[in-house]
Amino acid sequence: GAGVSQSPSNKVTEKGKDVELRCDPISGHTALYWYRQSLGQGLEFLIYFQGNSAPDKSGLPSDRFSAERTGGSVSTLTIQRTQQEDSAVYLCASSYGPQRGDTQYFGPGTRLTVL
Amino acid sequence: SQQGEEDPQALSIQEGENATMNCSYKTSINNLQWYRQNSGRGLVHLILIRSNEREKHSGRLRVTLDTSKKSSSLLITASRAADTASYFCATTTGNTPLVFGKGTRLSVIA
Repeated sequence: GAGVSQSPSNKVTEKGKDVELRCDPISGHTALYWYRQSLGQGLEFLIYFQGNSAPDKSGLPSDRFSAERTGGSVSTLTIQRTQQEDSAVYLCASSYGPQRGDTQYFGPGTRLTVL
Repeated sequence: SQQGEEDPQALSIQEGENATMNCSYKTSINNLQWYRQNSGRGLVHLILIRSNEREKHSGRLRVTLDTSKKSSSLLITASRAADTASYFCATTTGNTPLVFGKGTRLSVIA
């Protein structure tokens, strides 16, 4: 079946503009994660959605970042008033089970460049 | 915060050789997973080893886990150019998010 998809694959924006990144998880997966990866670095956890539970937003770096998941499926990560340090690859992953330690399936990522 | 740390940061080997990467972590875990990333894009899950397991195999991959030393190793046997990628370990302690290390960049030279 289809894997996790993300759009756009690349996004170039000007400092101060808002951006929206989209993630379509694998059908039937109840958990969805957003990560950020700066060049040459590991993955930085941003936010976690599980079913209808309140999301774990503990990884969001500032209040300019927000995310929502509609209907338990598609998720949108919004970055307001983008800054140059927001430039990174934003990765979405989903997993079948409720445990955060379950195997995660990643999308191809969105490369965000803030000029 | 970084839980797992991979070692070495970069590794370059000839095709056909074996590649060994290590991961150390700080707190007790429920499971440890290895992922591969090509060209800085999406990660692909390779293998999961639980805290009560010591060794797992999958094709040319062999993973060991030593909970007393809080370390794991990933061995890729008979490496191929297509194995060139970054390899990350990720750990979880119960119902917590996976915490990824910074990865080992493996280059396999044909």
